[in-house]
Amino acid sequence: NAGVTQTPKFQVLKTGQSMTLQCAQDMNHNSMYWYRQDPGMGLRLIYYSASEGTTDKGEVPNGYNVSRLNKREFSLRLESAAPSQTSVYFCASSEAWQGAGTQYFGPGTRLLVL
Amino acid sequence: AQSVTQLGSHVSVSEGALVLLRCNYSSSVPPYLFWYVQYPNQGLQLLLKYTSAATLVKGINGFEAEFKKSETSFHLTKPSAHMSDAAEYFCAVSDPMAASKLTFGTGTRLQVTL
Repeated sequence: NAGVTQTPKFQVLKTGQSMTLQCAQDMNHNSMYWYRQDPGMGLRLIYYSASEGTTDKGEVPNGYNVSRLNKREFSLRLESAAPSQTSVYFCASSEAWQGAGTQYFGPGTRLLVL
Repeated sequence: AQSVTQLGSHVSVSEGALVLLRCNYSSSVPPYLFWYVQYPNQGLQLLLKYTSAATLVKGINGFEAEFKKSETSFHLTKPSAHMSDAAEYFCAVSDPMAASKLTFGTGTRLQVTL
């Protein structure tokens, strides 16, 4: 039982390049989330998927797109990377949309945009 | 809108001393509250959560937190710090009607010294 996995662990991009961050969970959770973590700012929600087939914007969605590929997988795409997107990205999953569902986090992807 | 404020971005305690990490919340509805811990280069993991049952919540690794509605606080405590407690701690709040969508504080880094 791997929990939440993310690939890649680390990536360097040049401004304007695109990339997709992959996330998968094996806990049969309905809800999945993408956050970014920046020093002194905590974690901020980028996009979330309450259930398979649905996605919605979070607090900081500009410059990102997401795809809920199936119940297990939720990817985050940067179409044209900018230095402001240098951050650590975390994927999380939760068993329920409502109720006090615990979110389980992956190990993160460190992204550097030059 | 909901928010949390964590007082003190860095807290240093001696091994064996009391740990007190402060969190105050703002919410228009009775919230759910969470404490997560992040060890270096890892994802976040849940320490404990308040979901409107008992106001004193016990979590893993000897941590506990008390929900005080009159003070809009949810401070995290541990009677005796251990070196292994050195990490970053995040308080988070959610709306019970959309409970799995978390708003995080900016985090408190706990240093434990000999």
